[in-house]
Amino acid sequence: DTGVSQDPRHKITKRGQNVTFRCDPISEHNRLYWYRQTLGQGPEFLTYFQNEAQLEKSRLLSDRFSAERPKGSFSTLEIQRTEQGDSAMYLCASSFWDRGHGYTFGSGTRLTVV
Amino acid sequence: ELKVEQNPLFLSMQEGKNYTIYCNYSTTSDRLYWYRQDPGKSLESLFVLLSNGAVKQEGRLMASLDTKARLSTLHITAAVHDLSATYFCAVDPGWVTFGEGTQLTVNP
Repeated sequence: DTGVSQDPRHKITKRGQNVTFRCDPISEHNRLYWYRQTLGQGPEFLTYFQNEAQLEKSRLLSDRFSAERPKGSFSTLEIQRTEQGDSAMYLCASSFWDRGHGYTFGSGTRLTVV
Repeated sequence: ELKVEQNPLFLSMQEGKNYTIYCNYSTTSDRLYWYRQDPGKSLESLFVLLSNGAVKQEGRLMASLDTKARLSTLHITAAVHDLSATYFCAVDPGWVTFGEGTQLTVNP
């Protein structure tokens, strides 16, 4: 297993466009998390899944943000009508359900909205 | 709302010196995590502390947890340049919630 994979690594988009990021978790992990990190700040929780169920989504930043994990494996995070304020690093993490092992983070997708 | 506060936020220290980073949190949690992040990189798990009084050590870093005081410490012994990074503590009230991070610079 190569860890948590995120694609793409970098994305530059024009304001108003939609973007989608993909995350492939560690295969044995059944929980998957999305975070956003801006420069100089700690990661900010967005949403998480246990298998295919989205158990918390109230922290998504606006209704322009949505996430899916249709078959309980990979996940996508979509941002519609991007704004310059959406520029950030988007991190995905996965874990076992018991949380005792901590999270394993991917390398992130850096989004730049121009 | 849960608050996770780290102190200091910026730390510049000389090689060979010792120092402690403090992490206070505002809600009951029996799990506390320490992560390291190098510039432009993702987060690396350092320690998972699962109970009151837990102490873990790895190389020059030692982490401890006092759940009654809602306090964790990350102690650095005889710092070396390779420890320069940002260190985050985090608690888990349902999902991992991070502090602001402590940016550590170790100077020769």
